[in-house]
Amino acid sequence: NAGVTQTPKFQVLKTGQSMTLQCAQDMNHEYMSWYRQDPGMGLRLIHYSVGAGITDQGEVPNGYNVSRSTTEDFPLRLLSAAPSQTSVYFCASSYLSGGRYGYTFGSGTRLTVV
Amino acid sequence: GENVEQHPSTLSVQEGDSAVIKCTYSDSASNYFPWYKQELGKRPQLIIDIRSNVGEKKDQRIAVTLNKTAKHFSLHITETQPEDSAVYFCAATAPFTGGGNKLTFGTGTQLKVEL
Repeated sequence: NAGVTQTPKFQVLKTGQSMTLQCAQDMNHEYMSWYRQDPGMGLRLIHYSVGAGITDQGEVPNGYNVSRSTTEDFPLRLLSAAPSQTSVYFCASSYLSGGRYGYTFGSGTRLTVV
Repeated sequence: GENVEQHPSTLSVQEGDSAVIKCTYSDSASNYFPWYKQELGKRPQLIIDIRSNVGEKKDQRIAVTLNKTAKHFSLHITETQPEDSAVYFCAATAPFTGGGNKLTFGTGTQLKVEL
């Protein structure tokens, strides 16, 4: 049981390049989400999904796309990388049980855009 | 949408002392309040959580209190140890139509426990 797997762990992009951050979970969780973490700003929600085929925007969605074709996978696409997207990205999956939302975070992707 | 404020941003205590971190939230529909600990370069890890129908919860040296009326919740760490040094995040979540939830985080508290 791997939990939430994110790849790559580190990435350097040039401004204007595109790339996809991969996220996969093997816990059959319905809910998945992407956060970015910047110094002094906590974790901010980019996009989330409540199930296969259903996605919606979070707090900071501009410049990012997502899709959820399967329960397991939730990739995050950067369309045209900008230096402002330099950040640490965390994918999370979650479930609801007994009024508690159990979140499992991936190990993160550290992205630098130059 | 939900807004979570967290104070202080940094906290330095002597080993053995207590540490208190406070958060406020804005959405009265929020019903679940987890706390995460994040060590440098690592992912956030849940340390304790509380549901809106509970006022206080304790787990060994860690406790969380919730005041729904005032929309305040706090993390209390007693008998602090050097390994408690980390960044702590509060969060709040409310369910929404169609299922699912959105976890909104505070901006974090850097706790340093000094020998």
